[in-house]
Amino acid sequence: QLQLQESGPGLVRPSETLSLTCTVSGGSISSSTYYWGWIRQPPGKGLEWIGTIYYAGSTYYNPSLKSRVTISVDTSNNQFSLKLTSVTAADTAVYYCARLYGGNSGVFDYWGQGTLVTVSS
Amino acid sequence: SSELTQDPAVSVALGQTVRITCQGDSLRSYYATWYQQKPGQAPLLVMYGQNNRPSGIPDRFSGSGSGSTASLTITGAQAEDEADYYCNSRDSNGNHVVFGGGTKLTVL
Repeated sequence: QLQLQESGPGLVRPSETLSLTCTVSGGSISSSTYYWGWIRQPPGKGLEWIGTIYYAGSTYYNPSLKSRVTISVDTSNNQFSLKLTSVTAADTAVYYCARLYGGNSGVFDYWGQGTLVTVSS
Repeated sequence: SSELTQDPAVSVALGQTVRITCQGDSLRSYYATWYQQKPGQAPLLVMYGQNNRPSGIPDRFSGSGSGSTASLTITGAQAEDEADYYCNSRDSNGNHVVFGGGTKLTVL
């Protein structure tokens, strides 16, 4: 059974960089069938797509976040990561990593449990 | 990019049928995908493609679409179906993803 687990600091200071890692178990991140993504959800609000990556390195970012986001992949450790620079309180959210079914389809079939990141001094 | 619009809240009597809708220009080109989210939990994929249910999703859930509108129908809603429902699709760019604002379903 595929599992995804987010990890990283739960508290980030304003103007600093948010860094999270998603560890994939029960399957290979290097599979040609799947893409991998990050989604976030501010408290009490809806879901927002952050970006998507393919194991070979192709990336796609939400235009509203593109200038601040970098997603990378580490195939040797079966992980992919998110970096979001210059954070503000508006970046406080539960951050989810997920697998995209059937390529860059928009269909997220497996999700991590999510990790709350709070931006505060 | 494009946007997907959902009604903020919908209610249904126990055992009755409810339709949750999602509207957006991208749905003219791409199928909607539907997720169920209960409090404190990660979203759960419940419908994708033309009308495909992942393993374990009850057959009371069905999907359809026409033009710029996609629908998730629950036939015979159960108490455990009370949740937030989100649609998403690829946007007009093709490589980007967009989510709807979500619909809170209350089962009365």
